[in-house]
Amino acid sequence: GAGVSQSPRYKVAKRGQDVALRCDPISGHVSLFWYQQALGQGPEFLTYFQNEAQLDKSGLPSDRFFAERPEGSVSTLKIQRTQQEDSAVYLCASSPSRERPNEQYFGPGTRLTVT
Amino acid sequence: DQQVKQNSPSLSVQEGRISILNCDYTNSMFDYFLWYKKYPAEGPTFLISISSIKDKNEDGRFTVFLNKSAKHLSLHIVPSQPGDSAVYFCAASRIYGGSQGNLIFGKGTKLSVKP
Repeated sequence: GAGVSQSPRYKVAKRGQDVALRCDPISGHVSLFWYQQALGQGPEFLTYFQNEAQLDKSGLPSDRFFAERPEGSVSTLKIQRTQQEDSAVYLCASSPSRERPNEQYFGPGTRLTVT
Repeated sequence: DQQVKQNSPSLSVQEGRISILNCDYTNSMFDYFLWYKKYPAEGPTFLISISSIKDKNEDGRFTVFLNKSAKHLSLHIVPSQPGDSAVYFCAASRIYGGSQGNLIFGKGTKLSVKP
């Protein structure tokens, strides 16, 4: 079946622009996570949804970052007024159940470059 | 301060031999550990996991060992194959008593298996 998909795969933004990154999780997956992976680092947690509820946003680095999942399926990560330090790969992951949220299936990521 | 550490950025192994990837963690509240494999331009792929109530979990050529007293885990791949060449991430989580399951990743170890 289809895995987690993300779009766009690559995004170049000028400093100060707003960007929106989309995640389509595996159908029926309850849990959805966003991670940020800087060059040479492991992924770092940004935020977590259980269905449409955003239960944890403790990893969002600033109030310029905003995520939503209004119907409990597709999710969008929005970054306002992008800065160079926002350049990273943004990974989305979904998980089939709240009981086993750790077994997460990742999308290919969106590579964001802020110039 | 890194809670999950992979101290070897790279490892080179001959085909057919054993690959041993190591991971240390600092937070004794972690109760679930995972290994992910990542190819370039793809998202991490779940490989194998272990709960803190076990000290070993095996799946085909892959075995994960957990030493809770030392806060150390390792991934053994035997025999190693060229297709195993990838970046391997160790990740830790809490699924009991608190977290929704967001993963804390190490920086990764790049494994190269030479024919």
